[in-house]
Amino acid sequence: AQSVTQLGSHVSVSEGALVLLRCNYSSSVPPYLFWYVQYPNQGLQLLLKYTSAATLVKGINGFEAEFKKSETSFHLTKPSAHMSDAAEYFCAVSVALPFSGGYQKVTFGTGTKLQVIP
Amino acid sequence: DSGVTQTPKHLITATGQRVTLRCSPRSGDLSVYWYQQSLDQGLQFLIQYYNGEERAKGNILERFSAQQFPDLHSELNLSSLELGDSALYFCASSGEGVSGGYTFGSGTRLTVV
Repeated sequence: AQSVTQLGSHVSVSEGALVLLRCNYSSSVPPYLFWYVQYPNQGLQLLLKYTSAATLVKGINGFEAEFKKSETSFHLTKPSAHMSDAAEYFCAVSVALPFSGGYQKVTFGTGTKLQVIP
Repeated sequence: DSGVTQTPKHLITATGQRVTLRCSPRSGDLSVYWYQQSLDQGLQFLIQYYNGEERAKGNILERFSAQQFPDLHSELNLSSLELGDSALYFCASSGEGVSGGYTFGSGTRLTVV
C-alpha cells in the first residue's frame, strides 16, 4: 500500500520569498509522484511529475521538485513566490497494480494551502 | 480546458432529491474517477471505472452510484440527498499506465438546501 503525507495544511510566505511545500511518501514499489495545484473554484491541475527519469523535475510556473529516495520525499519548491501562486497544492503517489492491465492507483495527500503575503 | 468536461457546473437542490452529474473524459482515456471535495473531509476518492467496468471503490455512500457508458462518459447519481452532501464533485480521467497522472475536470458544485 502507498501513502502520502503533506506536512503543514497551511503555509504562508512573503511575496518574493522561497516556497517550500513538503511531501513524504510511502510505497512498497517504485512510485510515480505528482504535484497538483488547485486554484479557488477550479479543478486540480498537474504541476509536475516524477517518472523515474531525472530526480529533479521542473514543472509549470517556475515550480520544481526533487525526488529523494533515501528520505522518501518529494518536496515542491519555487525560488520566488508570486501572488498568483496562492492556491492549494496536492502531492500524489501512483503505483501500478499487478496483473491489472495498466491500472494505476493514485493516492492524494490532504493538501497544503499556500498564502502569499504582499 | 483540460479536456475533461463536467456538467452541470452548479446544482442547487433540496434534501431528499436525486441528481445526476455527468463527466466526459479526455479523448482516448479509458479510466474515469470520481472525487468529492468538501471543507471538512478534503479530497475523497469515490469510485473508478475503466472501459465500462467498475475498478475500485472508495468512500462512496450506498445512496451514491455511478456508471460508465460505452462511449466512455460517466454519470454519478446521488440520491436521498442530505445537507452534508453539499460539496464539489470532481471527475478525472487517465490513460494507460501509471506515469501520466490524472486530468481533472472543473467540477460540479452541489448545494443541498
